[in-house]
Amino acid sequence: AQSVAQPEDQVNVAEGNPLTVKCTYSVSGNPYLFWYVQYPNRGLQFLLKYITGDNLVKGSYGFEAEFNKSQTSFHLKKPSALVSDSALYFCAVRDRSRGGSYIPTFGRGTSLIVHP
Amino acid sequence: KAGVTQTPRYLIKTRGQQVTLSCSPISGHRSVSWYQQTPGQGLQFLFEYFSETQRNKGNFPGRFSGRQFSNSRSEMNVSTLELGDSALYLCASSLNPQDEKLFFGSGTQLSVL
Repeated sequence: AQSVAQPEDQVNVAEGNPLTVKCTYSVSGNPYLFWYVQYPNRGLQFLLKYITGDNLVKGSYGFEAEFNKSQTSFHLKKPSALVSDSALYFCAVRDRSRGGSYIPTFGRGTSLIVHP
Repeated sequence: KAGVTQTPRYLIKTRGQQVTLSCSPISGHRSVSWYQQTPGQGLQFLFEYFSETQRNKGNFPGRFSGRQFSNSRSEMNVSTLELGDSALYLCASSLNPQDEKLFFGSGTQLSVL
């Protein structure tokens, strides 16, 4: 079975400050990891993914995420937050081992609020 | 190229009724999956279709069903609606089931009164 935990329901940060949205995962095999963002009244938009290789993954809108296998984490980061980054962020995991499900499991989401 | 289109955008139904939601994937995408989004539960997987066949099904009662047509468009149906079915229903498409990246529609907001 695979699962994702986003331990914070909400993250507050001031504009211009760095932000981190946390995610930990559990899979029986090797993971595919994803971050999606959802703006109000919209569907989810893909931000970035980790498949293999470099542990630091760069994505859209200046976001990046760091894969840490020993801590089974995939935290989303941005060096300088913008008010327009305020949205709901979802982490997702998929087991990429042979026989694993192709269906991703999503976390419950973290609401990011960036204050001017 | 047009994105994933879901219709209708909003629906209001009463308990006991049934509802059908529609999803048109991105042109060329043959895999469609459905998710239920609620504030307390986040995104819960409903089912996945590829080439008109249901490949996976989530842990939902039989009142939830779906299908996919030859043009990859998909519908989901919920019968005998309950208050707890109120949610945002999201459709996602991808080229095939192995494709890592999902493209989501804006969803159908269903309210059951």
